[in-house]
Amino acid sequence: NAGVTQTPKFRILKIGQSMTLQCAQDMNHNYMYWYRQDPGMGLKLIYYSVGAGITDKGEVPNGYNVSRSTTEDFPLRLELAAPSQTSVYFCASSRRGNTQYFGPGTRLTVL
Amino acid sequence: RKEVEQDPGPFNVPEGATVAFNCTYSNSASQSFFWYRQDCRKEPKLLMSVYSSGNEDGRFTAQLNRASQYISLLIRDSKLSDSATYLCVAASGTYKYIFGTGTRLKVLA
Repeated sequence: NAGVTQTPKFRILKIGQSMTLQCAQDMNHNYMYWYRQDPGMGLKLIYYSVGAGITDKGEVPNGYNVSRSTTEDFPLRLELAAPSQTSVYFCASSRRGNTQYFGPGTRLTVL
Repeated sequence: RKEVEQDPGPFNVPEGATVAFNCTYSNSASQSFFWYRQDCRKEPKLLMSVYSSGNEDGRFTAQLNRASQYISLLIRDSKLSDSATYLCVAASGTYKYIFGTGTRLKVLA
């Protein structure tokens, strides 16, 4: 199993641009999550999903959107990128809301 | 007050030493607790879950004190490879994982 994969690994955006961060898992996990981690800070939940077609906001959802059309994929969309969205983004999955397994992360810089 | 608080460290310890980290949580409804390890510029990886009765995995021992709302991690016989940041997690429900900001450990040769 590849586990949780994320693309791209790195990205630089200009203010106002948009992009989609990809996340996929091959463990047949129902639950998937998006976090951001700023330097010296804990991980903050952006959005989560408990199954295909079901998503909900986390702690810091503003400026982001998600969709979950399949069990495997959970893309995160940034519209109108802002410098405050410079961060490391981690996707995670879990079987039934218990232990979470993380992808390798996407480092995003907005200039 | 942060929901999950950890001493950021760094804890600098010699190889072979025993080191302990504590973490406090404020939400009494928290049901599940974990320690994750995060290496520099990498993703968090589960180190161990924390159970009320305490649990041990090799050189690592985790304890939970619900009355005082803290969890602890003890590392015995520290190795150079234990150098990392250790994240404490308190979870309530299926999605509400609250991460601490982490405690940095440096094991010195």
